[in-house]
Amino acid sequence: DAGVTQSPTHLIKTRGQHVTLRCSPISGHKSVSWYQQVLGQGPQFIFQYYEKEERGRGNFPDRFSARQFPNYSSELNVNALLLGDSALYLCASSLATGANYGYTFGSGTRLTVV
Amino acid sequence: KQEVTQIPAALSVPEGENLVLNCSFTDSAIYNLQWFRQDPGKGLTSLLLIQSSQREQTSGRLNASLDKSSGRSTLYIAASQPGDSATYLCAAQRNQFYFGTGTSLTVIP
Repeated sequence: DAGVTQSPTHLIKTRGQHVTLRCSPISGHKSVSWYQQVLGQGPQFIFQYYEKEERGRGNFPDRFSARQFPNYSSELNVNALLLGDSALYLCASSLATGANYGYTFGSGTRLTVV
Repeated sequence: KQEVTQIPAALSVPEGENLVLNCSFTDSAIYNLQWFRQDPGKGLTSLLLIQSSQREQTSGRLNASLDKSSGRSTLYIAASQPGDSATYLCAAQRNQFYFGTGTSLTVIP
């Protein structure tokens, strides 16, 4: 079975541009979460989606948005990129939300803003 | 707000040593405590998950314990190998994961 798939693996953008990151969950998983990991830090929670609805949002500016599609894949969008948005963006999927469900992380998208 | 701290930030040991990584968290109202491994520039690999009702979990040379009341977890690695060199992250899970900043482990051959 395929794991959590993220695309692209790497990309370089210029300040002020917009970026879209994509995540395909494990087959049968209906929940997707996004995390940002800045170099040298632990991942920080951005969003969680379940059954196409937002179930949680971290402390990130409105430049960050996300959505989940009927096939449970997800996109993370970041507008007006800043140098500080350079990070590894991780997607995690699970069957559902809550305590009894394990999460599997993808390999991430490395975003560099220049 | 949940805060997770990991000590030490970095650790270097000779091959074959047993070692302990420490994790503390401020809010004991968690669902699970999970340990991950991260290789440089890579994603997260789950090592062990301890549910809030459990005290410990074991997988091969790894053993993780959880004391929810004191807000502490430890990851014990037995007979360390150079291939264990990586960053180890602990995460306290409620509705989201709260991660520590990790312990960077180097095992010297």
